[in-house]
Amino acid sequence: GQQVMQIPQYQHVQEGEDFTTYCNSSTTLSNIQWYKQRPGGHPVFLIQLVKSGEVKKQKRLTFQFGEAKKNSSLHITATQTTDVGTYFCAGANAGGTSYGKLTFGQGTILTVHP
Amino acid sequence: DVKVTQSSRYLVKRTGEKVFLECVQDMDHENMFWYRQDPGLGLRLIYFSYDVKMKEKGDIPEGYSVSREKKERFSLILESASTNQTSMYLCASSLWFRRVSEAFFGQGTRLTVV
Repeated sequence: GQQVMQIPQYQHVQEGEDFTTYCNSSTTLSNIQWYKQRPGGHPVFLIQLVKSGEVKKQKRLTFQFGEAKKNSSLHITATQTTDVGTYFCAGANAGGTSYGKLTFGQGTILTVHP
Repeated sequence: DVKVTQSSRYLVKRTGEKVFLECVQDMDHENMFWYRQDPGLGLRLIYFSYDVKMKEKGDIPEGYSVSREKKERFSLILESASTNQTSMYLCASSLWFRRVSEAFFGQGTRLTVV
């Protein structure tokens, strides 16, 4: 079945440093989504990318979807303590009748030291 | 606001018990999911339902079953609880209108099997 791998598993940064997490799928994706889970909370949707090579920005966050639609990245510029949490990517298979089934990566736990 | 409600926040059960985890969503979503979250393993899909009485196995369905008799309710059943099913269980729902859309998560049920 479809596998979504995410690296790194952990990232510790000083406040103000940049952060990037990467997501790779074993199959071509129809889209990729990104979620953030604060400590003690549940995952919350951040964004969805659909087009090959798509780049979207949300303030200090930049999301990219690869040309082959098999990989994606999330980059945070100048991290803040409010960025602390676990970032997940989630992909849906291209084609077939998956009806929107989402497969999540393992997540990257971000710690920001003030 | 979409609301996904899980019946319990914390649950302690004995080995061999039959356990029911309930999830209700109030936004008329077609898709509902059950994931389990374990440290370092991310969110692993147990079962997925795309319509009433319709279900599809996820990546780790062994030891679990599901029921969806009404559109708004999706139940996860542990037929005979075992200690390796101690985990955080997350329910999610999403709208399906022939395209993948964001998933909304419940607050999670932390299940401990003793």
